[in-house]
Amino acid sequence: DGGITQSPKYLFRKEGQNVTLSCEQNLNHDAMYWYRQDPGQGLRLIYYSQIVNDFQKGDIAEGYSVSREKKESFPLTVTSAQKNPTAFYLCASSTDRGPGNQPQHFGDGTRLSIL
Amino acid sequence: AQKITQTQPGMFVQEKEAVTLDCTYDTSDPSYGLFWYKQPSSGEMIFLIYQGSYDQQNATEGRYSLNFQKARKSANLVISASQLGDSAMYFCAMREGIGTGRRALTFGSGTRLQVQP
Repeated sequence: DGGITQSPKYLFRKEGQNVTLSCEQNLNHDAMYWYRQDPGQGLRLIYYSQIVNDFQKGDIAEGYSVSREKKESFPLTVTSAQKNPTAFYLCASSTDRGPGNQPQHFGDGTRLSIL
Repeated sequence: AQKITQTQPGMFVQEKEAVTLDCTYDTSDPSYGLFWYKQPSSGEMIFLIYQGSYDQQNATEGRYSLNFQKARKSANLVISASQLGDSAMYFCAMREGIGTGRRALTFGSGTRLQVQP
C-alpha cells in the first residue's frame, strides 16, 4: 500500500542533543512538508520541499534543518537551538500535478519530548 | 492577523443529528482552496473535503458538505447523521496561490467534536 512512514513514533531528546525524525513516502509525490503541532493547537509549517535538493523555510523554521536528497525521503533534524522541541511532528506529501485540489497525505506522526 | 479562524474550541452533538463546524478565512488571493481534515485521538490527519474559490457549487462528500459563503469568507463543514466515530478534532486549512507552485497549507486551531449516544 502507498503511504507515508514516519519513525520513530516516540522520541526523547536530551539537553544539547540533535535528533532526526524520519519521513519516507512511496506515493511518488514531488512535494513534502513538515508540520509541528502543540497540544490543542493547529499545525504550523516548519519546512517544505517541492523538488529534490530544494527546500524552503516555513513559518517556524528556527532550530530545525532538513534535507531532500531523494524524492522519497525528507528527514527533519531538531537541533539544540530549538529550545522548546516538545511537540507532535507530522510529515506530509502531495502531488505537484493537477489543478490544486489534491490533498496533502499525512504520516502517523512522531511525538518528541525532552528528557 | 489569523488566516484561518475556528471559533469553536469544542462542540457536542447527539448521535444521528447534524452539526456545523465554523471556519472563516482571510486572504487577498483570488485563487485559493479550502480543506477540512479530521484528526482522531491517534493523531493521523484524514482528508475530508475540498472547496476551491472558483467552484460554483458547494462541495459534498458522503455525509460531509461544505457551506461555502465566499463574500463572508466562510467555509463551514456540515456533518450529517453524526456517528460515534466522528468524535475527533477537525481542522480547516487553506492553500493560497492555486496555480502557483506553493502547496503548503495554513491551518486553523481546530474544533474538538464529541458525539454523544
